Amino acid sequence: AQSVTQPDIHITVSEGASLELRCNYSYGATPYLFWYVQSPGQGLQLLLKYFSGDTLVQGIKGFEAEFKRSQSSFNLRKPSVHWSDAAEYFCAVGAWAAGNKLTFGGGTRVLVKP
Amino acid sequence: SAVISQKPSRDICQRGTSLTIQCQVDSQVTMMFWYRQQPGQSLTLIATANQGSEATYESGFVIDKFPISRPNLTFSTLTVSNMSPEDSSIYLCSVEDALAGDTGELFFGEGSRLTVL
Repeated sequence: AQSVTQPDIHITVSEGASLELRCNYSYGATPYLFWYVQSPGQGLQLLLKYFSGDTLVQGIKGFEAEFKRSQSSFNLRKPSVHWSDAAEYFCAVGAWAAGNKLTFGGGTRVLVKP
Repeated sequence: SAVISQKPSRDICQRGTSLTIQCQVDSQVTMMFWYRQQPGQSLTLIATANQGSEATYESGFVIDKFPISRPNLTFSTLTVSNMSPEDSSIYLCSVEDALAGDTGELFFGEGSRLTVL
C-alpha cells in the first residue's frame, strides 16, 4: 500500500521569503503525485501534479515541485511567499494499481509573517 | 474542471441524530468519493460511490454508520448516522477529473463541517 509523509506539521515563513514543503512517499512503482492546498474554510484545490516526464512541474500560484525518484520525494517550493499563501498543504499519492485512490499526507500548515 | 456543490456547508447536530450531506456535480462522473477530515487531521477516504452499485467502504467505515446513495451520475448523499461528538469533522465530496485519465486526480467540494454536541 502507498503512504505519504509530510515531516513538517507547521512552517512559519516571512512574506517574500522562499518556501519549501517536504513530501516523502512510499510506493513500489512510479506513483502519481499531487499537491493540494486548503485555505481556511475552503475545500481542496489542486496546485500541481506529476504523472511522468519532466521531474520539475509547474503549478498555479507560482508553485513548483520536483519529483526525485532516488529520494522518494516530491517537495513543493515557492520562491517568494505572499500573505495569501497561508493555508494547509497536502501532498497525495495515487496509484492505478490501488484503484486510483488518493492517499494523503498529514498536511503542513503554513503561516506567513508580515 | 468539475464544480462540486455540497449541502449543508456546516451544521451543529445533537448526539444520536443523523444528518444527510448532499453532493451535486455539474457534469456526469463515474466515481464519487467521500472523505472525512477530523479536526487538525488529514483526509481519510470513507467510501467510493458508483452509480448503480453499492458503495465500497474503506477499512474502519461501515454502511450502517455511513450509508451512501448514488442515484445518478451527478449526485450522491452521505448520511452520518447516530452521531457522536467523535463524528465532528469536515466531510468532503470529490470526483475524478475525467480528462486526467487513470491518474486519480480529484476535484473537491468545499466540504460540510459538522459539529456534534
